[in-house]
Amino acid sequence: EADIYQTPRYLVIGTGKKITLECSQTMGHDKMYWYQQDPGMELHLIHYSYGVNSTEKGDLSSESTVSRIRTEHFPLTLESARPSHTSQYLCASTSGKGTQYFGPGTRLLVL
Amino acid sequence: GENVEQHPSTLSVQEGDSAVIKCTYSDSASNYFPWYKQELGKRPQLIIDIRSNVGEKKDQRIAVTLNKTAKHFSLHITETQPEDSAVYFCAALSGGSYIPTFGRGTSLIVHP
Repeated sequence: EADIYQTPRYLVIGTGKKITLECSQTMGHDKMYWYQQDPGMELHLIHYSYGVNSTEKGDLSSESTVSRIRTEHFPLTLESARPSHTSQYLCASTSGKGTQYFGPGTRLLVL
Repeated sequence: GENVEQHPSTLSVQEGDSAVIKCTYSDSASNYFPWYKQELGKRPQLIIDIRSNVGEKKDQRIAVTLNKTAKHFSLHITETQPEDSAVYFCAALSGGSYIPTFGRGTSLIVHP
């Protein structure tokens, strides 16, 4: 079944660690996104990509980077995690008409 | 850029009542308006959407209305049930853009 997958689902790490949050989709979509969301709160766009080798920063400066080497894969990297990065990270892709399909999210806790 | 205001931030109703969530947008070029439901601990999921060439759309107990002149659109849920309890997000997209602007969300609580 076509879906969006995120790993890990939960992550607890110490300050200063480098981490990569994985996102893969089998939807066949070109456009992919990363959002930061405290549970039940606003969705903040942090990165997006229109296709392979395309990456753009969103409205929220999150001190993270992304890459898009393959259509189905859009990983997010934090070079040096801080407690302020504690949040939920949602990956999404979009259909041709603009509907967003979200992954299950990664809950990150930085100690 | 686009700005989407969503009200109320919290809505509490009794089971069986109707619930209405309203959003206003600023960019007259916006032409696609989806609504997402996010249950506790789950991902946001599309529940209904409307395009600017349509004034109203219904799907069983939910409906969305759009007033392009006033630049607002609303989600209507009739005969609410406890499983309708969730956070609801509206969004707006303009033609050719694939970056939605989301409202800040409405927490709907349906009391049995």
